[in-house]
Amino acid sequence: AQTVTQSQPEMSVQEAETVTLSCTYDTSESDYYLFWYKQPPSRQMILVIRQEAYKQQNATENRFSVNFQKAAKSFSLKISDSQLGDAAMYFCAYRRSGDKIIFGKGTRLHILP
Amino acid sequence: DTGVSQNPRHKITKRGQNVTFRCDPISEHNRLYWYRQTLGQGPEFLTYFQNEAQLEKSRLLSDRFSAERPKGSFSTLEIQRTEQGDSAMYLCASSSDRGPTEAFFGQGTRLTVV
Repeated sequence: AQTVTQSQPEMSVQEAETVTLSCTYDTSESDYYLFWYKQPPSRQMILVIRQEAYKQQNATENRFSVNFQKAAKSFSLKISDSQLGDAAMYFCAYRRSGDKIIFGKGTRLHILP
Repeated sequence: DTGVSQNPRHKITKRGQNVTFRCDPISEHNRLYWYRQTLGQGPEFLTYFQNEAQLEKSRLLSDRFSAERPKGSFSTLEIQRTEQGDSAMYLCASSSDRGPTEAFFGQGTRLTVV
């Protein structure tokens, strides 16, 4: 069965600094997608970034980028120039093509002013 | 389209009562998912639909839980004979088989069983 592991329950970063959130996953599939979702306190879950497994190039969305290491089954999220609004729970997620999305347990990110 | 809509947003019920939640997905999305989330945890998969067909139901899901998606539009999640352990946030999400593959989430229904 596919699993997603986030080994950092909580992290803190100084405002304007860079932080990296870790994620590993386990799968025997070759066609799949990886996601990072953000869930601010008491608010809706929203997509931060998406990576297709068949793409070698790492995805980037403004201040957010990923380091996708397919052989190592690693998918980390880098947030540059951290802002107070980045404070949230971050969930790494995996989806096999045509299947449900499986989430990790999350990392709570604190931004220190 | 304003996104995935869930009703009610909050529900308080007495133990043993039945509750039903509704989810209206993004109109062009053919896939609909239900997840349960407890405080500080990641969303736990419950079940999902493609159009009106229920494709998978979590083995962790008690027989007290049932979901439907008549006509492949909105979906309902019913919990019968609620227990205190059912207290959680119930999240609905939808996605399309075409284009972006990510799921879009509703704001959730928070259930409190007293």
